[in-house]
Amino acid sequence: GIQVEQSPPDLILQEGANSTLRCNFSDSVNNLQWFHQNPWGQLINLFYIPSGTKQNGRLSATTVATERYSLLYISSSQTTDSGVYFCAVHSGGGADGLTFGKGTHLIIQP
Amino acid sequence: EPEVTQTPSHQVTQMGQEVILRCVPISNHLYFYWYRQILGQKVEFLVSFYNNEISEKSEIFDDQFSVERPDGSNFTLKIRSTKLEDSAMYFCASSLNPGLAGRGTQYFGPGTRLLVL
Repeated sequence: GIQVEQSPPDLILQEGANSTLRCNFSDSVNNLQWFHQNPWGQLINLFYIPSGTKQNGRLSATTVATERYSLLYISSSQTTDSGVYFCAVHSGGGADGLTFGKGTHLIIQP
Repeated sequence: EPEVTQTPSHQVTQMGQEVILRCVPISNHLYFYWYRQILGQKVEFLVSFYNNEISEKSEIFDDQFSVERPDGSNFTLKIRSTKLEDSAMYFCASSLNPGLAGRGTQYFGPGTRLLVL
């Protein structure tokens, strides 16, 4: 099946810093989503981005499908941005489930 | 904004007992999913469901698991005889239509944390 690799596995930043999280995948995809898992375990959908660039406030994402990677940018980090960021992909047709990466654990220190 | 809901939020059960986890997907969505996340690990796909039947299942989804859409709103996951290793967070998700561009976003519920003793 498709492989999803996320980097870095851990990231510690000061409040106000910017960060870039990377997701590499091993095959072409028709769905790619970025999630934020907050300290309560909830998975918050950030972006649906199988290709192209999107922005939502301080967050933006870019997927270069031909090169099989996606980047999540977080600007002006806040302590509430802490948590685990997951990339998840779907490579087949129909109702196939998402394959998740292992995540990037982000800690924003005040 | 519509959201996926799940009940209960937490469940503790004894090994060997049956549990039923419940989900109410977003009302106009057609595809439903269950995932699980063992503590500290990544999220894993269990099963997808469309048009009242299983569309795809992973190797994890063995004979002790079953899914059902008993009415027009609920979607359930049953674990027949729980094992210690079934302890995990179970997420339900739904999507409108993954085959259509822009309609494939999967929306996740808040999860049910299952602890098997």
